[in-house]
Amino acid sequence: AQSVTQLDSHVSVSEGTPVLLRCNYSSSYSPSLFWYVQHPNKGLQLLLKYTSAATLVKGINGFEAEFKKSETSFHLTKPSAHMSDAAEYFCVVSGNARQLTFGSGTQLTVLP
Amino acid sequence: DADVTQTPRNRITKTGKRIMLECSQTKGHDRMYWYRQDPGLGLRLIYYSFDVKDINKGEISDGYSVSRQAQAKFSLSLESAIPNQTALYFCATSYRDSRNEQFFGPGTRLTVL
Repeated sequence: AQSVTQLDSHVSVSEGTPVLLRCNYSSSYSPSLFWYVQHPNKGLQLLLKYTSAATLVKGINGFEAEFKKSETSFHLTKPSAHMSDAAEYFCVVSGNARQLTFGSGTQLTVLP
Repeated sequence: DADVTQTPRNRITKTGKRIMLECSQTKGHDRMYWYRQDPGLGLRLIYYSFDVKDINKGEISDGYSVSRQAQAKFSLSLESAIPNQTALYFCATSYRDSRNEQFFGPGTRLTVL
């Protein structure tokens, strides 16, 4: 069994300040973890993925995430938010190589 | 051209009608998936297919059926549409050995009146 909990449904930050989107997971297997972004009226784009290599994963657009097995977390961070980062973000787990399980999403608002 | 395409992009239909949503991919992937997205629920898996002869039910398959006509085509049907099937539907594809990284189409917005 596997599940994902995104701890915040909405996050608001000011432009130029750090972003933290929190994700906890559970999996009976050694998991792969992903963050996807969905801009309004668009499909989903992969930001980054963890697949049992380095625990600090760098993605596109300055985002990164750290896999912490002891905390079962995979939080997404960015040092400085940009207006174009406003979107919905999904944390995703795959533990059995057959299916993905999506979190419920975090809506990021970036204030000018 | 987009690697994963979905048709139609928007559809409004009435309760009881049969609807087919189509997905095509040019990525050469073996695996294809259908999801629906509802506000506050993330994406939920409807059906998935690991090759033309391997089709599996996902989390919420009731009321839906699929057809994998070829490696590149995977269609989702609603035999008798009902209003609670109003949602955004996504098709996705992946390589067999990519640790399940999936590539998504642009989505189909379906409204059932």
